[in-house]
Amino acid sequence: AQRVTQPEKLLSVFKGAPVELKCNYSYSGSPELFWYVQYSRQRLQLLLRHISRESIKGFTADLNKGETSFHLKKPFAQEEDSAMYYCAPQSGNNRKLIWGLGTSLAVNP
Amino acid sequence: GAVVSQHPSRVICKSGTSVKIECRSLDFQATTMFWYRQFPKKSLMLMATSNEGSKATYEQGVEKDKFLINHASLTLSTLTVTSAHPEDSSFYICSARSHGGYGYTFGSGTRLTVV
Repeated sequence: AQRVTQPEKLLSVFKGAPVELKCNYSYSGSPELFWYVQYSRQRLQLLLRHISRESIKGFTADLNKGETSFHLKKPFAQEEDSAMYYCAPQSGNNRKLIWGLGTSLAVNP
Repeated sequence: GAVVSQHPSRVICKSGTSVKIECRSLDFQATTMFWYRQFPKKSLMLMATSNEGSKATYEQGVEKDKFLINHASLTLSTLTVTSAHPEDSSFYICSARSHGGYGYTFGSGTRLTVV
């Protein structure tokens, strides 16, 4: 079954520290992977997708097919990065997203 | 950027009544709409996928007669919770994707409380 695992429910770091939010997936074929973010009292929004290989708000994510991982990284966390982060592979003809449980990132001053 | 407007943001209804939730894409054509349900401290649970002009495809375990989805136009999809029960109380979120688009635009969600 297609599944995504975000092992950390809560990740707490200090401002300026590096941060890595882990994501592992099980998926047959070539998945397209996304990271979505939900800031407090705001709706879910796309953070980045692996195909574009871009950096958004300082975040990057590399798809490692060997490890079936798509970890999200940022070298220097900021307080405004505090949010809920979801890793979501895309599946099937309808390209629906498979959702993990999310990781709550808290960046402390 | 693409915006999806979801209404109402909160609704309280009595058991046995029906509630309609609307999602409108404001500046793009939503060829596909996804409806989710989110329980406290849980991930999003996909309820159904609808393509404009077609019947919705429901996920396993979701009652299609209870959760009626209409996607009659490229800018509007509705979810109607029929004969609501307290266990239907939840946070419902819509998400839209345009044809050929890769990203998903989310509504702000609807908090449904059935009393």
